[in-house]
Amino acid sequence: QVTLKESGPVLVKPTETLTLTCTVSGFSLSNSRMGVSWIRQSPGKAPEWLAHIFSNDEKSYNTSLRSRLTISKDTYKSQVVLTMTNMDPVDTATYSCARSNFWSGYYVFWFDPWGQGTLVTVSS
Amino acid sequence: DIQMTQSPSSVSASVGDRVTITCRASQGIASWLAWYQQKPGKAPKLLIYAASNLQSGVPSRFSGSGSGTDFTLTISSLQPEDFAIYYCQQASSFPLTFGGGTKVEIK
Repeated sequence: QVTLKESGPVLVKPTETLTLTCTVSGFSLSNSRMGVSWIRQSPGKAPEWLAHIFSNDEKSYNTSLRSRLTISKDTYKSQVVLTMTNMDPVDTATYSCARSNFWSGYYVFWFDPWGQGTLVTVSS
Repeated sequence: DIQMTQSPSSVSASVGDRVTITCRASQGIASWLAWYQQKPGKAPKLLIYAASNLQSGVPSRFSGSGSGTDFTLTISSLQPEDFAIYYCQQASSFPLTFGGGTKVEIK
């Protein structure tokens, strides 16, 4: 069974750096057909994709947040880590990780499954 | 970035109704589109991928169609458990983007 679980602080102060960890099970981060994205959702808003990491360590980032984001992975720990610098109250959201897949010979970027998400509040 | 526009933003319907949600991409994305269902407090659930393929375990009353820039999600006979928010997502190119959502409410 494939699962993903997010962990990290529930509260961060403005200007601080957020570090979130996604621990996966049921698949390997070294699997060439798998990748993991981070996606966030502010209360009452649509999901917003943040970053993706491939098995070969190639990365892709949200255009407007690129300067603040870093995604990395530790294959041996089965973990994907996201850091976001200079946090602001508008960054208050539920942060989720999700797995991309391989379908009909293509590396595809729809997500199943997702983790349960972790709510991060930015406040002083 | 590719913009995804969903309509309507909300729809009121009764059990048994046919419901259609549309999603338009700002540029062609072939069939690289997914639909998700989200219920309160839960992560989005993949319903449809590649525009028209039903994810395993999803009831057959859900269907998707379209290619290029215009897509639709249809629920053929709305059931009580289908009241939720539905999102489209383009999977054609980075950055990946989602539509604004359609809330399906009880009439």
